[in-house]
Amino acid sequence: AQKVTQAQTEISVVEKEDVTLDCVYETRDTTYYLFWYKQPPSGELVFLIRRNSFDEQNEISGRYSWNFQKSTSSFNFTITASQVVDSAVYFCALSEADNQGGKLIFGQGTELSVKP
Amino acid sequence: KAGVTQTPRYLIKTRGQQVTLSCSPISGHRSVSWYQQTPGQGLQFLFEYFSETQRNKGNFPGRFSGRQFSNSRSEMNVSTLELGDSALYLCASSLGVGRTTYEQYFGPGTRLTVT
Repeated sequence: AQKVTQAQTEISVVEKEDVTLDCVYETRDTTYYLFWYKQPPSGELVFLIRRNSFDEQNEISGRYSWNFQKSTSSFNFTITASQVVDSAVYFCALSEADNQGGKLIFGQGTELSVKP
Repeated sequence: KAGVTQTPRYLIKTRGQQVTLSCSPISGHRSVSWYQQTPGQGLQFLFEYFSETQRNKGNFPGRFSGRQFSNSRSEMNVSTLELGDSALYLCASSLGVGRTTYEQYFGPGTRLTVT
């Protein structure tokens, strides 16, 4: 069965703090893809990153970084020096290669609130 | 490039009615997926269309259906609306070709309220 768990429902931080959003996934497939999306109050989901199961390299993009560990089935997302504009709901998602990518299984989301 | 567009943005319907939602993907994208977002169930996959064929289907009743046209535009239809169908319906497009799983780009959604 495929499943994505984001155990943190809500996180509140003060601006400039670092924050890590956790994501744990379950899949029987050996080939799969993991994603992070951001949903600001406007409602539109914004793509942040895609990672395939064969690439365990961590990635950094500006203040954002991602840590992918197959051994623990985790794909965590860290925001360094958070800003008020980072306030949003963040979703982790899984897609198995067998379904050719058209189906994303989402976690329940983590609502991040960054206060000034 | 223009993003994914969805029409209408807001819709109010009565129980028992039917509704059609429309989605225009990013130019060049051939895969269109639909999702339902509710506070209780979160984001749930409805179905995916690629080259006018349904390629994947989620666990929703037959009242939910969709189609894709030759220009990749897609529509979804919900018949015999129930109160529980009130949700944000999101459409996403991706390249969808080959064996690679591409990222999906989402539209702004259609907010459906059933009374």
